[in-house]
Amino acid sequence: GENVEQHPSTLSVQEGDSAVIKCTYSDSASNYFPWYKQELGKRPQLIIDIRSNVGEKKDQRIAVTLNKTAKHFSLHITETQPEDSAVYFCAASPADSSYKLIFGSGTRLLVRP
Amino acid sequence: NAGVTQTPKFRVLKTGQSMTLLCAQDMNHEYMYWYRQDPGMGLRLIHYSVGEGTTAKGEVPDGYNVSRLKKQNFLLGLESAAPSQTSVYFCASLGRGNQPQHFGDGTRLSIL
Repeated sequence: GENVEQHPSTLSVQEGDSAVIKCTYSDSASNYFPWYKQELGKRPQLIIDIRSNVGEKKDQRIAVTLNKTAKHFSLHITETQPEDSAVYFCAASPADSSYKLIFGSGTRLLVRP
Repeated sequence: NAGVTQTPKFRVLKTGQSMTLLCAQDMNHEYMYWYRQDPGMGLRLIHYSVGEGTTAKGEVPDGYNVSRLKKQNFLLGLESAAPSQTSVYFCASLGRGNQPQHFGDGTRLSIL
């Protein structure tokens, strides 16, 4: 079955710098890759997603890139702000059960003012 | 439109007690899920349902049972709670062919 690995587990950046979180997946047929942000004590919320027919997607300061050959995808946050501090989860949706999500273990991002 | 609602929000149990967590969604979604979240381990799927009257096991089903008697509700039961089941439990739902999954606010469960 699908397995998703996420790195790093913690990331500390200075406000205004960029942050990059990387995930790898094992099932080459997986076709949907969302990123969720979870603030302390809150629910995970989708911030951006990408499908396998697209290599990159941007939404203001957030972008996701997908390399299908290498089976990895990354979240890029530019001009980080203190409110970006949270735990970020990547996930992959297996092709044979597209209604499921397999999550990475999470990255705790701290943006220092 | 409340989305996904979980009850209760917090609960403390003693080892061996039983309880049921309720998840309700008002989006007419076909799919519903129960996850548990533990530090450093992300979200792990316990059980899921692809429609009313159907349930299936996820990654970590042992010690839990579920039921989906009504399309809008998905219940998670602990028959005999164990300290290892101390966790935050999230319910999610998904419309047919319409990612992403929508999450509830979670239930923080402590078992002493």
